Amino acid sequence: AQSVTQPDIHITVSEGASLELRCNYSYGATPYLFWYVQSPGQGLQLLLKYFSGDTLVQGIKGFEAEFKRSQSSFNLRKPSVHWSDAAEYFCAVGADSGYSTLTFGKGTMLLVSP
Amino acid sequence: DTGVSQNPRHKITKRGQNVTFRCDPISEHNRLYWYRQTLGQGPEFLTYFQNEAQLEKSRLLSDRFSAERPKGSFSTLEIQRTEQGDSAMYLCASSLDQGTQYFGPGTRLLVL
Repeated sequence: AQSVTQPDIHITVSEGASLELRCNYSYGATPYLFWYVQSPGQGLQLLLKYFSGDTLVQGIKGFEAEFKRSQSSFNLRKPSVHWSDAAEYFCAVGADSGYSTLTFGKGTMLLVSP
Repeated sequence: DTGVSQNPRHKITKRGQNVTFRCDPISEHNRLYWYRQTLGQGPEFLTYFQNEAQLEKSRLLSDRFSAERPKGSFSTLEIQRTEQGDSAMYLCASSLDQGTQYFGPGTRLLVL
């Protein structure tokens, strides 16, 4: 069965600083990988996804993520964080049968300091 | 595209009562998913439908839980004889075939 680990429960970043959120997955085949963001009281919004091909994927709001098979990682990055980026971020892996179900990590709460 | 909608947004109930939640997916999406999210955790898969057929159920979905999607459009999730451990956010998502899942705002359930 697949699993996702997000080792950081909370991260605080100064506004304008760079950000990297870590995600490690466990899966036997080629994974489908996703990053979602959740603001308080809101549903999950897809930031980006990886299916195949280029291992560096671009998403919305200036986010990018890099798939590293050798490290079983799919870390999310942003070069300059804005206060509006404060939210909870979830990494997810799709099941092998066309990612019909998603397995999520426990999430990383991003706090942005002025 | 009006997005995935869920009703109600909040529900407070007493232990032992039954509750029903509704999810309206994006109109052309044929797949619909239910997830549950408890405090400090990521969403956990419960079940999914392709059109009106329920194709997969998680072991998390006890006998007290039932989901339907009678006409392949909206879906309902019913919890019978609620327990305090059922308190959570219930999220619905939809997709077109095996495409990206788009999530609704969720229904937050509190069982007293």
